[in-house]
Amino acid sequence: AQKITQTQPGMFVQEKEAVTLDCTYDTSDQSYGLFWYKQPSSGEMIFLIYQGSYDEQNATEGRYSLNFQKARKSANLVISASQLGDSAMYFCAMRSYNTDKLIFGTGTRLQVFP
Amino acid sequence: DAGVIQSPRHEVTEMGQEVTLRCKPISGHNSLFWYRQTMMRGLELLIYFNNNVPIDDSGMPEDRFSAKMPNASFSTLKIQPSEPRDSAVYFCASSPPSNRGEAFFGQGTRLTVV
Repeated sequence: AQKITQTQPGMFVQEKEAVTLDCTYDTSDQSYGLFWYKQPSSGEMIFLIYQGSYDEQNATEGRYSLNFQKARKSANLVISASQLGDSAMYFCAMRSYNTDKLIFGTGTRLQVFP
Repeated sequence: DAGVIQSPRHEVTEMGQEVTLRCKPISGHNSLFWYRQTMMRGLELLIYFNNNVPIDDSGMPEDRFSAKMPNASFSTLKIQPSEPRDSAVYFCASSPPSNRGEAFFGQGTRLTVV
């Protein structure tokens, strides 16, 4: 069975600083994808970044990077140079390429202060 | 591209009434997911379809919930009869036939059952 765990219900970071949001996962599948989504207060779900289970390099998308440690089954999101607009809920997700099932963690609320 | 379109955006109904939520996925996408989001339970996967075929409905909470995908461009989630505990935001998401499999979300339907 698949499981995603986000242990940080809330995080604070000062503007321009970097922040790491934790995500661990559990699966018996060998082939899977890991994703991060942002949900601002307006409610929409915005796809941020993707990491494949066979990718050897950590994914990066602008100020977002994914710290992928396969042996530890962790896929932490790093946001560099935080901005006030980064304040939102952040969800980690995993898709099994065996079953196509896409599940989400419980989310981390990030607040960026000036 | 119009994105995933959900309707209605808001629905208020009385307990016992039938509720139908609608979703139009992005053209060319072959997977469709229905999620329910609440403060207590986070983002729960209810059911998902591949090529219009339901693959896993183990997340559907009760027999009162049903979902259909009669063609590649339309899906419905029906609750009959509705109960106050069904109040939540219901998201539809679709994903293309690619190696990555990221899902693109609709704006959600906020359901309130009184």
